[in-house]
Amino acid sequence: DAGVTQSPTHLIKTRGQQVTLRCSPKSGHDTVSWYQQALGQGPQFIFQYYEEEERQRGNFPDRFSGHQFPNYSSELNVNALLLGDSALYLCASSLTMLVKGETQYFGPGTRLLVL
Amino acid sequence: GNSVTQMEGPVTLSEEAFLTINCTYTATGYPSLFWYVQYPGEGLQLLLKATKADDKGSNKGFEATYRKETTSFHLEKGSVQVSDSAVYFCALTPPGGGNKLTFGTGTQLKVEL
Repeated sequence: DAGVTQSPTHLIKTRGQQVTLRCSPKSGHDTVSWYQQALGQGPQFIFQYYEEEERQRGNFPDRFSGHQFPNYSSELNVNALLLGDSALYLCASSLTMLVKGETQYFGPGTRLLVL
Repeated sequence: GNSVTQMEGPVTLSEEAFLTINCTYTATGYPSLFWYVQYPGEGLQLLLKATKADDKGSNKGFEATYRKETTSFHLEKGSVQVSDSAVYFCALTPPGGGNKLTFGTGTQLKVEL
């Protein structure tokens, strides 16, 4: 059983560009969350998708947007990239968002560098 | 809002030493508590969790007990190995569901021979 997969593994962009990151959840998982991890910091919650809708959002600007597809895979889009967007972007999936304390399983991440 | 505070690292120990990494939280009600581990260049792996007060999570020799009275979830291991060298994150999800994880800043552990 494949775990959470993310693509690409690394990405280099310049300021002002747009980027799309992709995530496939574990088999049977219907909830996908995205986190941003700056160097030396803990991950910060960006948003969560369930049934193809954004259900929760962290303190991130509208430049960060996402999508969930009928097969539960998800995309994270970031527009008008800033140098401060350089980070490791982690995708996590869980069996459901409806159960308290449900475990989230993380992918290996996409490392984004903005020059 | 919810928050998690961890002891700062790095923590450097000799192999077979006892490990404690402190974690305290601020949240209303009864959150679920987690420890995740991140090895160099990798994503996060769940180490253990506890979803109600006085529960003890355990895995691979690591243990943590959910203490509501002290709002703590300290991570312990009786005898660390070099392979335990990694960054450890304490985290919580709110009691109301939705499962948004709030993480601490992480504690780097280095185990030397």
